[in-house]
Amino acid sequence: EAGVTQSPTHLIKTRGQQATLRCSPISGHTSVYWYQQALGLGLQFLLWYDEGEERNRGNFPPRFSGRQFPNYSSELNVNALELEDSALYLCASSLWSSYNEQFFGPGTRLTVL
Amino acid sequence: QQQVKQSPQSLIVQKGGIPIINCAYENTAFDYFPWYQQFPGKGPALLIAIRPDVSEKKEGRFTISFNKSAKQFSLHIMDSQPGDSATYFCAAIVGQVGQLTFGSGTQLTVLP
Repeated sequence: EAGVTQSPTHLIKTRGQQATLRCSPISGHTSVYWYQQALGLGLQFLLWYDEGEERNRGNFPPRFSGRQFPNYSSELNVNALELEDSALYLCASSLWSSYNEQFFGPGTRLTVL
Repeated sequence: QQQVKQSPQSLIVQKGGIPIINCAYENTAFDYFPWYQQFPGKGPALLIAIRPDVSEKKEGRFTISFNKSAKQFSLHIMDSQPGDSATYFCAAIVGQVGQLTFGSGTQLTVLP
């Protein structure tokens, strides 16, 4: 069974630009979660999508947004990039009935110069 | 109240030793407590998890002990191996909000 996949592996942007990160969940999983893992800040919850709807949002500014497509894949968009947005962005997925059991992808390393 | 406090920050043991990682929480609404293992350059991998109505759970060499009254839980790794060297994160979640709250992580090194 294929795990959660994310693309790209690495992304380099300059301050003020926009970044788009993509995630494909495990087959059969309908919920997708986004987390940020920044140095010194640990793993922080960003967003939760289920059945195409945003279900919950962490303590991040509105320039962090996303969506979930009909095939349950998801996209995270970060607008007006700031230097402190440099981090590993992790996507996780779960079955609709098991929000607790979240399985993570390898992440996208975003570097903002 | 959403915090999960994890200790120690780093831990070094000899092969065969039993490293113990501790976590404490405040939010009594948490209803699921997973542990994740993360190797450098990889995403966190779900290792083992426990619900608050259970005091202990074992899966292979990994054991979670849970003390509901003290709001603490811990991970024990039996017969640790160099391949167990990784960063371990405890976490907690209130299922219906979907948000995992993570501890700060413990970097474990198992010496050969």
